[in-house]
Amino acid sequence: KQEVTQIPAALSVPEGENLVLNCSFTDSAIYNLQWFRQDPGKGLTSLLLIQSSQREQTSGRLNASLDKSSGRSTLYIAASQPGDSATYLCAVAMNRDDKIIFGKGTRLHILP
Amino acid sequence: SQTIHQWPATLVQPVGSPLSLECTVEGTSNPNLYWYRQAAGRGLQLLFYSVGIGQISSEVPQNLSASRPQDRQFILSSKKLLLSDSGFYLCAWTWEAEAFFGQGTRLTVV
Repeated sequence: KQEVTQIPAALSVPEGENLVLNCSFTDSAIYNLQWFRQDPGKGLTSLLLIQSSQREQTSGRLNASLDKSSGRSTLYIAASQPGDSATYLCAVAMNRDDKIIFGKGTRLHILP
Repeated sequence: SQTIHQWPATLVQPVGSPLSLECTVEGTSNPNLYWYRQAAGRGLQLLFYSVGIGQISSEVPQNLSASRPQDRQFILSSKKLLLSDSGFYLCAWTWEAEAFFGQGTRLTVV
């Protein structure tokens, strides 16, 4: 049974710092991995999708990497801003039509 | 482009009352559809998912049920709400295993 873990559960960093959020999964035979952002009381916004054949994806100040063999993904946020404060979740799919399995998220607080 | 509509945004219901939350997707056909619940300070719990009309998989035995009467419509229901049904309910759809979410419904059972 696939399990997705995100550590730490919460993180506070000063504005301007670069930071890394971690995601690990127990079964490396994933179809894809997706990173989401959730603001309080809101739905999830997709940030980056990495297919199983890819090593990384970039969007603006965000870079997500995938190492399937070790069961890990990282989300790198450059030059953090207070507006980056949110909960970040990663999720994996085992095949095209299977359910999406989520981690519990990392609650990020950027200190002004 | 594809969009997902979920309503209502907030709902306050008394214990024992029925529930119906609706989710519709536009701009795609035959999506996989999902209902999740998020309790305060906790992760996402998958409640139901559907790969086609009338095909519903239940992940957690509970007081809730789901139906998919049309290709792009997914409904979450309850005949009698419990206090423990309070939470944030999210509808999602996937295409090629990429997920997109609605804005959620905050349900408070009183």
